[in-house]
Amino acid sequence: QKEVEQDPGPLSVPEGAIVSLNCTYSNSAFQYFMWYRQYSRKGPELLMYTYSSGNKEDGRFTAQVDKSSKYISLFIRDSQPSDSATYLCAINAGGTSYGKLTFGQGTILTVHP
Amino acid sequence: KAGVTQTPRYLIKTRGQQVTLSCSPISGHRSVSWYQQTPGQGLQFLFEYFSETQRNKGNFPGRFSGRQFSNSRSEMNVSTLELGDSALYLCASSLPQPGQEYHTFGSGTRLTVV
Repeated sequence: QKEVEQDPGPLSVPEGAIVSLNCTYSNSAFQYFMWYRQYSRKGPELLMYTYSSGNKEDGRFTAQVDKSSKYISLFIRDSQPSDSATYLCAINAGGTSYGKLTFGQGTILTVHP
Repeated sequence: KAGVTQTPRYLIKTRGQQVTLSCSPISGHRSVSWYQQTPGQGLQFLFEYFSETQRNKGNFPGRFSGRQFSNSRSEMNVSTLELGDSALYLCASSLPQPGQEYHTFGSGTRLTVV
C-alpha cells in the first residue's frame, strides 16, 4: 500500500465548475499537508499548505484536512481554463524529516471553456 | 529573490554513462531535496541534504548520489545510467517552517537515457 493515494483522474470539467481533489494517507505521523500545481514542463508550484485539521481558504482554493480519517481535499471554485494542470497532494512528517515530501500520484485536471 | 535554479534543463546520455545535475537553492535555504518524476511512478523522493550532510534518503540504488556545498548548492550524480533512469529530476529548497518558501521547486532537468 502506498503511503499516499490519489485518484489520478483524468478529470474534465466545464469552466465555472467546482472541482474536488482528494488524497488519503496511511501514516498518522504526517503533520504537514500541501497541494501543488504542476503545468507541463514545469516544476510543481505550492498552492496551499496546512498543518491542522479543518479548512483553509485562499481565494478560489480551499484545502481541507481530516486527520482522524487521514483524508485531505482541495476544492477549486469557479474553475478556469488556466487551472488546467496536474494537481499533487504532498505530505510531510516535519521535524528532521521536513526535507522529505511524500507525493500522491497527481490528478490531471482539464477545465474546458 | 531568485528561485531555485536547476542546470542543465535537458540532457541526453547513453546507457552506462554517468551524469551530474546541479541545483542552486533560494538564498538562505539550507535544505535541498531531490526528486525523480516519471509517468509510471510519479514524484519520488531521492534524498535531502542539510548543511552539507545527507539527512534523509529515499529507496533508490547506490548509483544515485549527491552532495551539498558550503553555499548550499547541491549536485546529484547518477552513475552507470540505465534506460529506466529517464525522468524529470527536480530539486526543491526549503525553510524549516511551513510557509510560501516551504519546498520551492525548480523547473527540473529532463534526462533522457538512450
